[in-house]
Amino acid sequence: EAQVTQNPRYLITVTGKKLTVTCSQNMNHEYMSWYRQDPGLGLRQIYYSMNVEVTDKGDVPEGYKVSRKEKRNFPLILESPSPNQTSLYFCASRLTVDTEAFFGQGTRLTVV
Amino acid sequence: GESVGLHLPTLSVQEGDNSIINCAYSNSASDYFIWYKQESGKGPQFIIDIRSNMDKRQGQRVTVLLNKTVKHLSLQIAATQPGDSAVYFCAVPQTGANNLFFGTGTRLTVIP
Repeated sequence: EAQVTQNPRYLITVTGKKLTVTCSQNMNHEYMSWYRQDPGLGLRQIYYSMNVEVTDKGDVPEGYKVSRKEKRNFPLILESPSPNQTSLYFCASRLTVDTEAFFGQGTRLTVV
Repeated sequence: GESVGLHLPTLSVQEGDNSIINCAYSNSASDYFIWYKQESGKGPQFIIDIRSNMDKRQGQRVTVLLNKTVKHLSLQIAATQPGDSAVYFCAVPQTGANNLFFGTGTRLTVIP
């Protein structure tokens, strides 16, 4: 089954404690992205990758890092999480820039 | 910059009626449009897409209409069912980049 898998689904952490949210896709897509979803603000892109070792900032990249060492995986790293990064995060992948994106199930992160 | 907006944040319809959800976009160069459905606790799920060389496309119980003159698209759901209750987003790829601009969503509630 074609899918995007994120882990964990839920995470509560403390300010400043580094964390990683993993994302993996099995569709051999080149394009992968991370979004955060906040009430009233919709989905906003954090970072994206157009291929292995090629990443770039989205609309809200501050406080986040990503890596793309292999095509299927695109982890999101928060080196020093802060409460304003409490949000619902989605990983997405797509074949090309003008095809639909497939989303993971989401990771609800709470930073206290 | 580019933007996408949905006309109504909420919409309630009786089961069996037709639903119409509207969306406006700002960039006249946009040539691909996507509708997503997001159920509670899940990631956005692709419903239907349309390219700018078409003004109408039909799927199973859903129809998307595109009016490029006024930069407006709509999603029509026929014979709305309780399982259609969700938040619906239109999304427009950013021209020349791996980013999807999402509207803030319309929450559709189906009344049994």
